[in-house]
Amino acid sequence: EIVLTQSPGTLSLSPGERATLSCRASQSVSSSYLAWYQQKVGQAPRLLIYGASSRATGIPDRFSGSGSGTDFTLTISRLEPEDFGVYYCQQYGRSLFTFGPGTKVDIK
Amino acid sequence: QVQLVQSGAEVKKPGSSMKVSCKASGGTFNNYGFSWVRQAPGQGLEWMGGIIPISGTANYAQKFQGRVTFTADESTSTAYMDLGSLRSDDTAVYFCASSALYHSSGWYYYYMDVWGKGTTVTVSS
Repeated sequence: EIVLTQSPGTLSLSPGERATLSCRASQSVSSSYLAWYQQKVGQAPRLLIYGASSRATGIPDRFSGSGSGTDFTLTISRLEPEDFGVYYCQQYGRSLFTFGPGTKVDIK
Repeated sequence: QVQLVQSGAEVKKPGSSMKVSCKASGGTFNNYGFSWVRQAPGQGLEWMGGIIPISGTANYAQKFQGRVTFTADESTSTAYMDLGSLRSDDTAVYFCASSALYHSSGWYYYYMDVWGKGTTVTVSS
């Protein structure tokens, strides 16, 4: 099973700042089958990025994903007030999925 | 885009079983795969498994194998998750999610793009 590690655990930033979130896999993630989700308190997760770098429908272009192999990054270029929440990475391989533990982005 | 409506909250006794439904609308049911993800209070997301109705293929996280069953009913566009031998640590919000299908030596999906609102399940004596 591929284990995902996310860092930092918490990111305290102000609106307008740039956020850089990391997701590291214990083994190479095949074909960039890596996705990112945002979750706010009391809500279901929302897909942001799939295939490591493709934005999901309706996701603003301030969100971008990059990386391959075992190292992936989610960047939010300029934080908006609605961007605060928990972000999870997720990988797929051999018909199995795993999620990372999440990075909480909160208001500084 | 497909929309998912899940069944309502449940309170269960330890040792019992539960069945959560996930009704899809706004799309062709067999064009999607369906995953089940749970979230214990204050915790992260945990993938339980999923099903691809068009092929009948179901995959299960090792942790839940033998205790969970996923089914799908094309006639009602509904996916189901059956979890048995419930314990207190099964208390969680259970989400279903749909996924666009891809084909390469079989159908598969690799991300979850539409989510239900979740079903809260409390296991308590």
